Amino acid sequence: EDQVTQSPEALRLQEGESSSLNCSYTVSGLRGLFWYRQDPGKGPEFLFTLYSAGEEKEKERLKATLTKKESFLHITAPKPEDSATYLCAVSYGGSQGNLIFGKGTKLSVKP
Amino acid sequence: GAGVSQSPSNKVTEKGKDVELRCDPISGHTALYWYRQSLGQGLEFLIYFQGNSAPDKSGLPSDRFSAERTGGSVSTLTIQRTQQEDSAVYLCASSNDREGEQYFGPGTRLTVT
Repeated sequence: EDQVTQSPEALRLQEGESSSLNCSYTVSGLRGLFWYRQDPGKGPEFLFTLYSAGEEKEKERLKATLTKKESFLHITAPKPEDSATYLCAVSYGGSQGNLIFGKGTKLSVKP
Repeated sequence: GAGVSQSPSNKVTEKGKDVELRCDPISGHTALYWYRQSLGQGLEFLIYFQGNSAPDKSGLPSDRFSAERTGGSVSTLTIQRTQQEDSAVYLCASSNDREGEQYFGPGTRLTVT
């Protein structure tokens, strides 16, 4: 049973076409929800941590939000360099510090 | 500053051989994690070190896998008698505390032939 589910699996956007990526989680006792960006052949790069429902964080064209059941990563006016796989992960009471990852959303932004 | 480094970046080995993968965490980070990323799968937790505490080995898939962390810094993941299903990218991450964000190295791509 998946504890972290990301959708869609893949997303193709035109440059400038805003959209959102979804991460839903079923764990209890959430300690933190993390968003990472992963480029091909590289390790995940940390983007955001969200700790409580209602929290929002922004970085350039990215904005992450959190509810009690899911998180969204909003991408405003994306550029081709935003193309990557975006990973969501959670830390919760039963995970002892390690992260539980979703399978990611592969984003392609065409010029 | 320097990030997490891993070596080798690529390793090809024959089935049945043992391999060692190395991780140098960010200086001062007390927590160190190993994950495995297989094609089409999410990152899978393997083992977690926090300071001088006993490691959390709950994610190790079999007793062929082991890891140690010397002097609270460098870590080595050892896979004995490798199998083809061990082929994956092995990622190391470090953090300055249990609840904080984890910073990942570039990974070691292991191919078992």
